Amino acid sequence: DAGVIQSPRHEVTEMGQEVTLRCKPISGHDYLFWYRQTMMRGLELLIYFNNNVPIDDSGMPEDRFSAKMPNASFSTLKIQPSEPRDSAVYFCASSLEFGAGGTGELFFGEGSRLTVL
Amino acid sequence: DAKTTQPNSMESNEEEPVHLPCNHSTISGTDYIHWYRQLPSQGPEYVIHGLTSNVNNRMASLAIAEDRKSSTLILHRATLRDAAVYYCILRDPHNNNDMRFGAGTRLTVKP
Repeated sequence: DAGVIQSPRHEVTEMGQEVTLRCKPISGHDYLFWYRQTMMRGLELLIYFNNNVPIDDSGMPEDRFSAKMPNASFSTLKIQPSEPRDSAVYFCASSLEFGAGGTGELFFGEGSRLTVL
Repeated sequence: DAKTTQPNSMESNEEEPVHLPCNHSTISGTDYIHWYRQLPSQGPEYVIHGLTSNVNNRMASLAIAEDRKSSTLILHRATLRDAAVYYCILRDPHNNNDMRFGAGTRLTVKP
């Protein structure tokens, strides 16, 4: 398996622009997580899905952020409009059902580094 | 509301054992203890997890206190490639099965 695939790896945009980050989880995994990492705040959980359904989005900073999972093999994290303080590395991770023969281990993608000027 | 506490940083010499502590005094009966590490410029990666008994795998060992209020990740022979931030996390598969990372312990390995 190719692992969790994220795109783009790097994005530089100007304040006010819309940003869309994409994630393809590992096939068969039923949990998908979006994280944001900054030096100041560390690794923050933004939202996670189970079977394509958002379970907890309490970590989403504000209404400018939205995440969707239209099917089991694709998710997006959208920021509109973007602001300089959104600059961070955004990670997507997926895992198999905890306890159903799986360890619940999270597999992370390589991240999308976002810079908002 | 931190569920785990870890030292901010630790140092080790290459080829010596490393014991990374984690306190989780409010752990519930259904919480699993997970350890992840994040190498520079990479996403976190799974290291090990356990519930009550000590666990061993090819990467490390996990020693869990009898009262489960603390645990220790053991790297038997540290290498320079083990330099990373190590995270100790509690995860309850039966209730709010999320995975929230704290600040972790930054491990420096000296040659």
